[in-house]
Amino acid sequence: SAVISQKPSRDICQRGTSLTIQCQVDSQVTMMFWYRQQPGQSLTLIATANQGSEATYESGFVIDKFPISRPNLTFSTLTVSNMSPEDSSIYLCSEWDITTDTQYFGPGTRLTVL
Amino acid sequence: GQQLNQSPQSMFIQEGEDVSMNCTSSSIFNTWLWYKQDPGEGPVLLIALYKAGELTSNGRLTAQFGITRKDSFLNISASIPSDVGIYFCAGQVSGSQGNLIFGKGTKLSVKP
Repeated sequence: SAVISQKPSRDICQRGTSLTIQCQVDSQVTMMFWYRQQPGQSLTLIATANQGSEATYESGFVIDKFPISRPNLTFSTLTVSNMSPEDSSIYLCSEWDITTDTQYFGPGTRLTVL
Repeated sequence: GQQLNQSPQSMFIQEGEDVSMNCTSSSIFNTWLWYKQDPGEGPVLLIALYKAGELTSNGRLTAQFGITRKDSFLNISASIPSDVGIYFCAGQVSGSQGNLIFGKGTKLSVKP
């Protein structure tokens, strides 16, 4: 299985500010993803983090709100911009293991926006 | 869009009992994955299913990929208190390059 770390593990932020979440994986993987899990809900895919190019966003998510970087194969960041209380969620990064066709998740970043 | 229907939404059982939960979809999936999420943690992969009809076990857990590729079940035998958590099914659509569609989860509570 994969070893995935995320920083910060949690944060409490003020409305209107931005937070950048970091994700580090332990192997050079081709596919990394960012998910959102709203309180008491399931996981929803935000975007695919593409190495060396712009992320691919799912319907309902836009780059201005959730800019994503992936400077190399093992690291990605997700920024939650101009936050509002509705952005309070757990944000999770994941990697897709192409050899086993399975996906592993990081521990998540619990964000609370006041 | 594609959706997974997961049931039951929650279960409250006695320690030692067996548990069964399932997911259905109107769409065909290439891969079915079952995860467990503990409070404050990310989902942990339990079982991965790749072939229609496939039956796979992981300790006390058993999962099957439906023949039609539109459904899957997860069974837990002889439940113990540490089985408490939320179980999610997730399906990967053919050609989606790793994008997963998640069920809404089954919250399992175990009474000692």
